Amino acid sequence: GQNIDQPTEMTATEGAIVQINCTYQTSGFNGLFWYQQHAGEAPTFLSYNVLDGLEEKGRFSSFLSRSKGYSYLLLKELQMKDSASYLCAFMFSGGYNKLIFGAGTRLAVHP
Amino acid sequence: ETGVTQTPRHLVMGMTNKKSLKCEQHLGHNAMYWYKQSAKKPLELMFVYSLEERVENNSVPSRFSPECPNSSHLFLHLHTLQPEDSALYLCASSQDWADISNQPQHFGDGTRLSIL
Repeated sequence: GQNIDQPTEMTATEGAIVQINCTYQTSGFNGLFWYQQHAGEAPTFLSYNVLDGLEEKGRFSSFLSRSKGYSYLLLKELQMKDSASYLCAFMFSGGYNKLIFGAGTRLAVHP
Repeated sequence: ETGVTQTPRHLVMGMTNKKSLKCEQHLGHNAMYWYKQSAKKPLELMFVYSLEERVENNSVPSRFSPECPNSSHLFLHLHTLQPEDSALYLCASSQDWADISNQPQHFGDGTRLSIL
């Protein structure tokens, strides 16, 4: 089967660092995506990992360990505008490519 | 602005009504998708179109009927919906569907659908 888990909610302070974890169980894994979704808006692409290790993109970094079925999104120097839902999704490849999403982690950044 | 436009943004309809959701992408992509997003649940893939052909129908009830007249437009026709169909319906597009796994999908802002 295909299963993906991430925390439902997290809170953090402006200027701090927060790590959002995501675990998945699947065969046919073919890459992991992180999306950001502000309330009432479209999910927007943040990062993609297919090999183990850390991908850094400005204040956001994403890590993948395929052997552990584990990824995290690291947000540094948090800003109020980072308050949003963060969606973890893996690409399932079982003859075709299909994105399987987690339920999302709602992050609240406080002053 | 994501390059994917959905209309209407909000829709309230009775169970016996017929309505359609529209999606248009301005990115030159070849694949388009419909997703359902219910509160506190993961996005659920409903339909995939690649080069105007339906390539995935994810066990969606027949009261949802997609249409893809060209690679830039995607519709979701709705009829005799149920209260549990109330959700945010998101459209997305990507350059291609099956060949390359690392292409991100670009989402529209969605249509918030409420069934009375």
